[in-house]
Amino acid sequence: QVQLVQSGAEVKKPGASVKLSCKASGYTLTDYYMHWVRQAPGQGLEWMGLLRPSGDSTKYAQKFQGRVTMTRDTSTSTFYMELSSLRSDDTAVYYCGREKYGGYYDYWGQGTLLIVSS
Amino acid sequence: QTVVTQEPSLTVSPGGTVTLTCASSTGAVTSGCFGNWFQQKPGQAPRPVIYSTTNKHSWTPARFSGSLLGGKAVLTLSGVQPEDESDFYCLLFCGGTWVFGGGTRLTVL
Repeated sequence: QVQLVQSGAEVKKPGASVKLSCKASGYTLTDYYMHWVRQAPGQGLEWMGLLRPSGDSTKYAQKFQGRVTMTRDTSTSTFYMELSSLRSDDTAVYYCGREKYGGYYDYWGQGTLLIVSS
Repeated sequence: QTVVTQEPSLTVSPGGTVTLTCASSTGAVTSGCFGNWFQQKPGQAPRPVIYSTTNKHSWTPARFSGSLLGGKAVLTLSGVQPEDESDFYCLLFCGGTWVFGGGTRLTVL
């Protein structure tokens, strides 16, 4: 069965970087986009960007351009989202979720809590 | 920058019908916006309930339906159950990028 299992909670200091992971299983990675979304405490969902099925092309929300990098390690079926120059307002739960072209979103990870605090 | 707008909150009685809407600052929402609706309960990951405007997942309750009406994406819940109380988010691809709406908190009272 399809599973997206995300890495554990992280605590980082302002200015640092973090690399979150999302391990996929049960499907062919090259058939789906992988999206990353975040949710700050008590706030709504925010789309951050996607990695195309080819694994070598991305699209990022303008807000995160220059600060986010989304990659994939095919050998371990693991997706990564790296966010740099962390600020306190990056504190949020980060989710990965897959989409088949045409807006077919289905499976999502359980989320990873990132706390940015000095 | 595209803005997607939803009602902040709605209240419905058990057994009633409620309509949630989703508008885009780019103009009328069309099928090409590939509208998705997500349901989220406290402490849980969002769960998609409608994809590509009108389509249900295998886990989507039959009382949920998606459509387009008046230039907006619409999620209709008919015969609302107490367990439907949650936050609902729409997600659109209208402006060449994916954007979430601010969410609608649905209260069943």
